[in-house]
Amino acid sequence: DAGVIQSPRHEVTEMGQEVTLRCKPISGHDYLFWYRQTMMRGLELLIYFNNNVPIDDSGMPEDRFSAKMPNASFSTLKIQPSEPRDSAVYFCASSLEAGAREQYFGPGTRLTVT
Amino acid sequence: GNSVTQMEGPVTLSEEAFLTINCTYTATGYPSLFWYVQYPGEGLQLLLKATKADDKGSNKGFEATYRKETTSFHLEKGSVQVSDSAVYFCALAPRRTGTASKLTFGTGTRLQVTL
Repeated sequence: DAGVIQSPRHEVTEMGQEVTLRCKPISGHDYLFWYRQTMMRGLELLIYFNNNVPIDDSGMPEDRFSAKMPNASFSTLKIQPSEPRDSAVYFCASSLEAGAREQYFGPGTRLTVT
Repeated sequence: GNSVTQMEGPVTLSEEAFLTINCTYTATGYPSLFWYVQYPGEGLQLLLKATKADDKGSNKGFEATYRKETTSFHLEKGSVQVSDSAVYFCALAPRRTGTASKLTFGTGTRLQVTL
C-alpha cells in the first residue's frame, strides 16, 4: 500500500494568500484526521472525518481554516487568508473503524507564511 | 476525559544504554495503547501497540507492556543506537466502536543518543 499521501510537501506563501493542502488516505480507511504541529503547541488535532462526514472540528483555530472531504480518497485543508502564525507542519492521518484504531500518518506539509 | 502523561525530555543516553520512557494514562474502559516515533523531518510512525491488559507490544527492539493495574505503558529498549534518536509519543484510542475515534497523544519525549 502507498500509505497516506500529502501534497505539497513544502509550501511557502505570503501573508494574505490562500493555501490548500491535500491528502489521500489509505484506501479502505474510515477515518481521516488533520493535525498541526509546532514547537510551541506540539501536535494538535484540527478536525476529523468519518466516512467523509466531519465529526469534530473543535480544533480548527478560526474561520480562516476550512476542511472538506468530497470523497473517500481525497481531503483538503484550506487557509484563507493565511497569516505568519499559521506556519507549521500539517499532517494528515487515516485509520480504520475496527481493530485497535491505530492511525497512519502522512509525511506532512511544511507551511511557511511570510 | 482521556489523557496521556509522558516523562519530560530530552532524554540523553550513550549508545548501548538501556532506555525507559514512562507513560501513564487515564481513560474510561479499556483503551488500545500505542507508541509512535517521529524522526527528524518526518511524520509519526507507529512503533508498537497493545490492545488489552498484559499485552506486550514489540518492534525494532522496543517493547511496552499494557499494565492495567498501574495504568501504564512504559517504552523500553535494552540497547539504544544513535539511529534511535527521535521524538517518541505515547497515545491511546477508546475501545468502543461507534464513538469518537480520535487518539489522545502525550506531549512527546525527545531521545538523543550519543556515541
